[in-house]
Amino acid sequence: GQQLNQSPQSMFIQEGEDVSMNCTSSSIFNTWLWYKQEPGEGPVLLIALYKAGELTSNGRLTAQFGITRKDSFLNISASIPSDVGIYFCAGQPASNTGKLIFGQGTTLQVKP
Amino acid sequence: SAVISQKPSRDICQRGTSLTIQCQVDSQVTMMFWYRQQPGQSLTLIATANQGSEATYESGFVIDKFPISRPNLTFSTLTVSNMSPEDSSIYLCSASGAKAATNEQFFGPGTRLTVL
Repeated sequence: GQQLNQSPQSMFIQEGEDVSMNCTSSSIFNTWLWYKQEPGEGPVLLIALYKAGELTSNGRLTAQFGITRKDSFLNISASIPSDVGIYFCAGQPASNTGKLIFGQGTTLQVKP
Repeated sequence: SAVISQKPSRDICQRGTSLTIQCQVDSQVTMMFWYRQQPGQSLTLIATANQGSEATYESGFVIDKFPISRPNLTFSTLTVSNMSPEDSSIYLCSASGAKAATNEQFFGPGTRLTVL
């Protein structure tokens, strides 16, 4: 079945540093979504991308929908301790059934 | 966005029993989904809950083990049947198509299930 490869698997950074993570797919997606999950909570939607090449920001977060429609990245600038959590990419396949395929997640730890 | 609640938030159950998880959305939505998230893992889609008809299950998940209901556009239930310790997991409900029919999918807080 379709799979998303998300990297890196984990990151341990210093407060104030920028962070970048990405997802790649073997097939085309219509929509890319980025979520953050904190312990004991469900995933929270951060950014949604709908068009190839689209670049969208949400505060210190910036995400892009790759031109090939097979990849996406998320950048976090000037990280702070509350950025700690697991970040998931999710893609909606071109079959457009509404289902999402999730990446394996990137665990982010920020050292104050 | 849609606000989604789940009940119970957590439970500890005995092997062989069944647990029904409820999912309530604060507005009418087009689609509702059920996911499983095993400890330290990503989310795996169990099924799409279809309003007024049988759910659509993903490969590896069957109706006898995970019966799902969706009686209206704001509510769904997932039952985990004849539980074993391997069913210990977080079960998440999600919904999309609220208000402006977008593809954005929102999640409930999850139900943390431990099977002894």
